[in-house]
Amino acid sequence: SQTIHQWPATLVQPVGSPLSLECTVEGTSNPNLYWYRQAAGRGLQLLFYSVGIGQISSEVPQNLSASRPQDRQFILSSKKLLLSDSGFYLCAWSLGGRDGKLFFGSGTQLSVL
Amino acid sequence: QKEVEQNSGPLSVPEGAIASLNCTYSDRGSQSFFWYRQYSGKSPELIMSIYSNGDKEDGRFTAQLNKASQYVSLLIRDSQPSDSATYLCAVAARVASKIIFGSGTRLSIRP
Repeated sequence: SQTIHQWPATLVQPVGSPLSLECTVEGTSNPNLYWYRQAAGRGLQLLFYSVGIGQISSEVPQNLSASRPQDRQFILSSKKLLLSDSGFYLCAWSLGGRDGKLFFGSGTQLSVL
Repeated sequence: QKEVEQNSGPLSVPEGAIASLNCTYSDRGSQSFFWYRQYSGKSPELIMSIYSNGDKEDGRFTAQLNKASQYVSLLIRDSQPSDSATYLCAVAARVASKIIFGSGTRLSIRP
């Protein structure tokens, strides 16, 4: 069976510090991978998605970046965090194609102070 | 115009009644449509997917799709207190790998 691991669960970072969130998927090959952000009481904002190693599509211009160094690994980074980067970050995977069902990790609650 | 729109609620429904949640989308080329449930502080979980016009039933849940009207809905029959959550509509855009969410509707089931 497929599993997705996302860590850490919570993170408190000062403004201007770097960020690295990691997500890995087990039990499947060549998944589509996604990073979403959710502000308090809001919906999910698509940040990045990837259909293969090294292939990253960015949806929102911002100070975040994503990388996919391995087939089942997706990393979200920032060189300098802003207050507005606070939120609930969710990694997800899907099989792709017409079946776009997403399966989410447990999320990272990021507070930038 | 937002790509996927939902009424934010809260929608309050008495226990045992039918809850009706609605969603509209802007891209006519959208191919796949999903409903997710999210409890506070938790990740969303998939409850329904629908790909063709019409109704799709799964237990107490029925998803309805009308591509001509660009409208998706979710009906929850015999609503239970455990159904109290935020319901997120998601649409796979013309580029099928891109999946966009609405802002969610908060549903509250009152005893």
